[in-house]
Amino acid sequence: SQQGEEDPQALSIQEGENATMNCSYKTSINNLQWYRQNSGRGLVHLILIRSNEREKHSGRLRVTLDTSKKSSSLLITASRAADTASYFCATAASLANAGGTSYGKLTFGQGTILTVHP
Amino acid sequence: GAGVSQSPRYKVAKRGQDVALRCDPISGHVSLFWYQQALGQGPEFLTYFQNEAQLDKSGLPSDRFFAERPEGSVSTLKIQRTQQEDSAVYLCASSLTWYGGRDNQPQHFGDGTRLSIL
Repeated sequence: SQQGEEDPQALSIQEGENATMNCSYKTSINNLQWYRQNSGRGLVHLILIRSNEREKHSGRLRVTLDTSKKSSSLLITASRAADTASYFCATAASLANAGGTSYGKLTFGQGTILTVHP
Repeated sequence: GAGVSQSPRYKVAKRGQDVALRCDPISGHVSLFWYQQALGQGPEFLTYFQNEAQLDKSGLPSDRFFAERPEGSVSTLKIQRTQQEDSAVYLCASSLTWYGGRDNQPQHFGDGTRLSIL
């Protein structure tokens, strides 16, 4: 079963605008990761934020994490048509929730479909 | 290799047939994961290998699903007596280490095998 809920399910914007996607999860985590998936392709890792971090930047990406609310957001600034893809958050469960072992097993949300119009 | 390679990319089988899906992870990667992705959904965990040891198969839907990684590199996911509900994209991912804590390594995904059961 999917742990994460992503919001919105679909987002359509113009090139140059910012895109914000949200993710909520249910159990305590070691880290949260965001992945991108182009149609018909595998997932590409974008960014990882640890449970003791609140914000992280990578290029045009900004990720926030609020462990008290069990939520995260991904902001893509100055979007481009090439950013059109599905975006997934994924959580790596904390040791206590991983049955005593932790090897990076990921639980994915249902994804946000982002369309950026040129 | 440059990335995770999966074959075949597409597989069509009749209900009741057995299928085998292959994954070549990135050379030297200790961890290997299999995920199942239904249309419009995020990937769902099937099974995990640390080198040749299958440490977690909690996500395999039934005993018709079997995975192996005999020499700690290439892995095969086998589905026996396929059913229509097995139709999905099967994704393989590998990561460099086994450690699943806050700093665990990102997973590198192949492009998947799209399985269609008629």
